[in-house]
Amino acid sequence: QQPVQSPQAVILREGEDAVINCSSSKALYSVHWYRQKHGEAPVFLMILLKGGEQKGHEKISASFNEKKQQSSLYLTASQLSYSGTYFCGTEVRGSTLGRLYFGRGTQLTVWP
Amino acid sequence: DTAVSQTPKYLVTQMGNDKSIKCEQNLGHDTMYWYKQDSKKFLKIMFSYNNKELIINETVPNRFSPKSPDKAHLNLHINSLELGDSAVYFCASSQFGSRSGNTIYFGEGSWLTVV
Repeated sequence: QQPVQSPQAVILREGEDAVINCSSSKALYSVHWYRQKHGEAPVFLMILLKGGEQKGHEKISASFNEKKQQSSLYLTASQLSYSGTYFCGTEVRGSTLGRLYFGRGTQLTVWP
Repeated sequence: DTAVSQTPKYLVTQMGNDKSIKCEQNLGHDTMYWYKQDSKKFLKIMFSYNNKELIINETVPNRFSPKSPDKAHLNLHINSLELGDSAVYFCASSQFGSRSGNTIYFGEGSWLTVV
């Protein structure tokens, strides 16, 4: 049930772009994206509910391909503040709503 | 005001002890959760309550017992603590049936270390 995230780690210079992928073997109701900084709680970034939905949050956006059961998180013109671990969480169709299965996370490091 | 607050933030205790972590949310949400994050940062759901009713109970040792006195509070009691229980425990809440989706908000976490 747990989604697979890739890559496991990304190192960027400020201003560079990155893509983080999240793939599930199950049909999905929604995909959630969170960022967690060291020693802190996961912070909600966005939720995607419909296949094909795309959402944006400043220079961070995401897409959801329901047919492929995949979501991607796009970080453009990265800033130092983007550093952290990014998690996707999936709500699986037919499973209890609210039961999020989290990926293992992608460690993003942005250098000046 | 903190939306989801949990206490204590840090807890160091000996094996065999019993401890509790308390959680409160002021978001007016009807659903609360306990998640466990291990040393490899793997986040896994343990329990969920909707309007004080247990709706998710993952495969968790029965030494872990959640209690929801009302929909704004969800406590976690752990009996006979073991070394493997060392982890960060996150409380979270959400509102079911929201048109914008079941967004889950996490508390700041409780760092439990069993020695």
